Amino acid sequence: EAQVTQNPRYLITVTGKKLTVTCSQNMNHEYMSWYRQDPGLGLRQIYYSMNVEVTDKGDVPEGYKVSRKEKRNFPLILESPSPNQTSLYFCASSLGQGRVGAGYTFGSGTRLTVV
Amino acid sequence: AQTVTQSQPEMSVQEAETVTLSCTYDTSESNYYLFWYKQPPSRQMILVIRQEAYKQQNATENRFSVNFQKAAKSFSLKISDSQLGDTAMYFCAFSLTGANNLFFGTGTRLTVIP
Repeated sequence: EAQVTQNPRYLITVTGKKLTVTCSQNMNHEYMSWYRQDPGLGLRQIYYSMNVEVTDKGDVPEGYKVSRKEKRNFPLILESPSPNQTSLYFCASSLGQGRVGAGYTFGSGTRLTVV
Repeated sequence: AQTVTQSQPEMSVQEAETVTLSCTYDTSESNYYLFWYKQPPSRQMILVIRQEAYKQQNATENRFSVNFQKAAKSFSLKISDSQLGDTAMYFCAFSLTGANNLFFGTGTRLTVIP
């Protein structure tokens, strides 16, 4: 089954403790992206990747890191989480190369709480 | 910059009735895609319908249809014969043709009342 797999689904952590949210897709998609969803703000893009070793900032990149060492994986790293990073996070992928017409395939989301 | 505006944070509709969700966008480009995504309580993001800007005909998917007004930069979603399973958050989204990034509105929470 074609899918984007995101883990964990729920995560509670303490301020300053490094964490990684994993994302993997099995569709050989070139393009991958991370969003955060907050009430009243919709989905805002954090980082995206056009292909292996090619990443770029989205609208809200502060406090986040990403890497794309393999085509299928695109982890989101919070080096020192803070309470304002409490949010619902989504990983998404698409064919890339400007072929966004088919839309994105989304992971099932990660609910992160930083206390 | 591309912006997407959903001016109705919450809406409700009686089961079996019809409801229309509004979306406006701002762009200086002429070639782009527009999407509606549904997010039920399960949190999964589900593509409901998409529209290519160069197509004048409005897209339709079963009970879901859009009213695309390119000059007015408006892209509303009509849900006919509303069902309880339509209860969800609905996001309007925009992307330029040839680009990869998808820009989202702030969402409309729809509740279908039995």
